[in-house]
Amino acid sequence: GAVVSQHPSRVICKSGTSVKIECRSLDFQATTMFWYRQFPKQSLMLMATSNEGSKATYEQGVEKDKFLINHASLTLSTLTVTSAHPEDSSFYICSARHQETQYFGPGTRLLVL
Amino acid sequence: GENVEQHPSTLSVQEGDSAVIKCTYSDSASNYFPWYKQELGKRPQLIIDIRSNVGEKKDQRIAVTLNKTAKHFSLHITETQPEDSAVYFCAASPNNAGNMLTFGGGTRLMVKP
Repeated sequence: GAVVSQHPSRVICKSGTSVKIECRSLDFQATTMFWYRQFPKQSLMLMATSNEGSKATYEQGVEKDKFLINHASLTLSTLTVTSAHPEDSSFYICSARHQETQYFGPGTRLLVL
Repeated sequence: GENVEQHPSTLSVQEGDSAVIKCTYSDSASNYFPWYKQELGKRPQLIIDIRSNVGEKKDQRIAVTLNKTAKHFSLHITETQPEDSAVYFCAASPNNAGNMLTFGGGTRLMVKP
């Protein structure tokens, strides 16, 4: 149990376009999901906390208008990278809380050309 | 906010030897300390966690110790195997996993056969 999926697993887009990443809890309901960003050979940096039915909480330095988060249901949170630029290229990972443990999705590798 | 330091950043051991990774945290309110294993390009997998009401927890070859007074916790892997090679992250969180995780910088463990 406690499986988290992400889609797509990898995406290549042109600079200036928007990309949506989905995070789903497959066998449990998650009122809280988290979005992380990971650069090569670096740690996971929390970007925002996604709360079902309310606004996301963003970490300091993360632009809420650039990284739009929507948590419309108990099993789905989406992260939209708007007007993507090459510096947004990274590995984006979500996690969902289930019974006092956080379970991670497989990640989405974004490459902005 | 919380700050988690992890050492060493890289660790190379011979198969069968033990490996120890250490983390320190700054926020005395933190009371949940998970350890994740991440293989290249994959999601972090929870391998063991400890809560502040215990000082040690063991699961087969893996053990974690916690010193609340000194604000540090350690991961111990005994009888290492080549498949233990990965990046290991420690993390800290207040209020169990209900709140966000702050990750350490990661340790790249290499087990030489």
